[in-house]
Amino acid sequence: AQSVAQPEDQVNVAEGNPLTVKCTYSVSGNPYLFWYVQYPNRGLQFLLKYITGDNLVKGSYGFEAEFNKSQTSFHLKKPSALVSDSALYFCAVRDRWNRGFKTIFGAGTRLFVKA
Amino acid sequence: GAGVSQSPSNKVTEKGKDVELRCDPISGHTALYWYRQSLGQGLEFLIYFQGNSAPDKSGLPSDRFSAERTGGSVSTLTIQRTQQEDSAVYLCASSSQSTGVDTQYFGPGTRLTVL
Repeated sequence: AQSVAQPEDQVNVAEGNPLTVKCTYSVSGNPYLFWYVQYPNRGLQFLLKYITGDNLVKGSYGFEAEFNKSQTSFHLKKPSALVSDSALYFCAVRDRWNRGFKTIFGAGTRLFVKA
Repeated sequence: GAGVSQSPSNKVTEKGKDVELRCDPISGHTALYWYRQSLGQGLEFLIYFQGNSAPDKSGLPSDRFSAERTGGSVSTLTIQRTQQEDSAVYLCASSSQSTGVDTQYFGPGTRLTVL
């Protein structure tokens, strides 16, 4: 069965420091992987996705994520955090061979960036 | 507008009443999804529509929940005999393809409160 784990409910970083939001997954085949962000009082927004190719994916707002097949991880990273990055982040996975669709979302990680 | 819209934005109802939540997807998007987000929780998949195919209803939590999509566009999620545990934010998303690489565009959600 597909599953996504975001082991940290909350991540605290100081502005200007690098940030990492962790995600591990379990699928039967090769996954499509996604990160979405939910800012306060705003809807969910797409950040980036891994389909194939380069394991390092670059997305919106300076975020990037690294696909690590051996560790089944897709951690979200940013070299220098901004206060405005404070939001709820969701990792999502879909089995590329599953024609039945179901994208599974993680429970979310709340990121707090302190000035 | 160019985005996914949902109505109403907020709905307060009494236990036992029926409610209807509406989603207008992005024009031309063939795939439409409903999710539920309880307070502080991740996204729970409810149902998925793709074109004229039979919907994937595997995420609906009980037979009190149903959804339809008319004319391949607007969708309505209906909850009959609402219970307090149905209180959540109901999110709708649409995408332009269902091959596994689709990016989902989310609406602002409907916050349902069952008293």
